[in-house]
Amino acid sequence: NAGVTQTPKFQVLKTGQSMTLQCAQDMNHNSMYWYRQDPGMGLRLIYYSASEGTTDKGEVPNGYNVSRLNKREFSLRLESAAPSQTSVYFCASTQANQPQHFGDGTRLSIL
Amino acid sequence: QKEVEQDPGPLSVPEGAIVSLNCTYSNSAFQYFMWYRQYSRKGPELLMYTYSSGNKEDGRFTAQVDKSSKYISLFIRDSQPSDSATYLCAMRRTGGGNKLTFGTGTQLKVEL
Repeated sequence: NAGVTQTPKFQVLKTGQSMTLQCAQDMNHNSMYWYRQDPGMGLRLIYYSASEGTTDKGEVPNGYNVSRLNKREFSLRLESAAPSQTSVYFCASTQANQPQHFGDGTRLSIL
Repeated sequence: QKEVEQDPGPLSVPEGAIVSLNCTYSNSAFQYFMWYRQYSRKGPELLMYTYSSGNKEDGRFTAQVDKSSKYISLFIRDSQPSDSATYLCAMRRTGGGNKLTFGTGTQLKVEL
């Protein structure tokens, strides 16, 4: 019973490097989300995809891009990583008016 | 000012105590209210999901929503060491892509 799977679990990057965080869900959900979690800031929405083929900006989209590859997969890309993007990144998915289900996160450090 | 305010704690209680966790919010359009539990190095896990005002009970957990005061609560009865975690409140309005607004989380420790 996998739910929402995120890869990798940990990553260290140097400033300026690029990276793609992967997310896949096996619950046949239409909507998928990317959040970042920082101390004292809570979870903040970066981008979301209400359905396959659509993506929209959230609260903190600058420095990120996303791709909804198919119904199952939603990736988050950092084109030129900055130390301010050091965070824990969570992917979530949901269907209709149901609550969101979360993965276990990717811990990203940028030096 | 944040749309959702939550005391970060930490809150430390003895085993068996009743725990009260709270959030206040400013957006009167919020209609759906959630409590998530997050263990260290894990993702948020849904505990309670309520629509509009009222109470909902599930085992040792009770969620209350008072929309007139813009105040939500989570009560944990007979608290256990396994309840030690960070508790996040979240809420959203009808429509709008099902986007959630989160509190910052309250860290709870239940001690033996």
